[in-house]
Amino acid sequence: GENVEQHPSTLSVQEGDSAVIKCTYSDSASNYFPWYKQELGKRPQLIIDIRSNVGEKKDQRIAVTLNKTAKHFSLHITETQPEDSAVYFCAASIVGGAQKLVFGQGTRLTINP
Amino acid sequence: GAGVSQSPSNKVTEKGKDVELRCDPISGHTALYWYRQSLGQGLEFLIYFQGNSAPDKSGLPSDRFSAERTGGSVSTLTIQRTQQEDSAVYLCASSLDQGPYEQYFGPGTRLTVT
Repeated sequence: GENVEQHPSTLSVQEGDSAVIKCTYSDSASNYFPWYKQELGKRPQLIIDIRSNVGEKKDQRIAVTLNKTAKHFSLHITETQPEDSAVYFCAASIVGGAQKLVFGQGTRLTINP
Repeated sequence: GAGVSQSPSNKVTEKGKDVELRCDPISGHTALYWYRQSLGQGLEFLIYFQGNSAPDKSGLPSDRFSAERTGGSVSTLTIQRTQQEDSAVYLCASSLDQGPYEQYFGPGTRLTVT
C-alpha cells in the first residue's frame, strides 16, 4: 500500500523567512496530494492541494510543487508570519480509486518573531 | 452551510466497555471517512464509505472496531471491549465523490480509556 514520508518533523524559522516541508510517496498510482494545517486542539484544514497533472500550484504565500518521476512533493511558505505556526501534514490518495488519504507524520512549524 | 459534526466531543470510558462515536457529514457528501490521531501523531486511516459501495475497511486495527453508515448519511464507529491503546482522537471527514476532492474534517471525538 501507499506510504508517505514527511521531513522535517520539526522546523523553526524566523518571521519573514521561508519554510519548506518535503514529502515522498511510494505508490505511483497516487494522483492527489493535499496539505493540511492543524492548530493545537483544532481539526485539520486544507491549505492547498495539487493533482498529478500539474507540477506547481500557488495560493498567495503558499505553493506546492510535485515531481511525479521522483515521487515527491513539497510545501513552500514564503514571508512566514506567527499565525503560520502549526503542525502541517502532507497526504496522498488515488481519486477515482482508493480515495482514503495516507498522511505523512507531520511537521511542527514554529515561527519565531 | 453546516460542516461535519461529531459527538460526543469527549468520551472517557473504562477498559473493556464498548463505545459508539457518531459523525454527521456535510449534506450531499457521498464519501465519508474515519481516521484516528494518537497524541502527537499523524492521522491513521480506519474506514471509508462511498455511496452504496461496500466500505473500505482496510484500516481497521482489529475486529473490535466496526462502523456503519445508515441512509448514506450519519455514520457510527463502534469500538468493543476498549483497550488503553484505543485512546486517541477519532476524526471523521466527508467529501464529494466527483471533485473537488477536499476532505472536510469534523472536530473529532477525544476518547480516553482508563
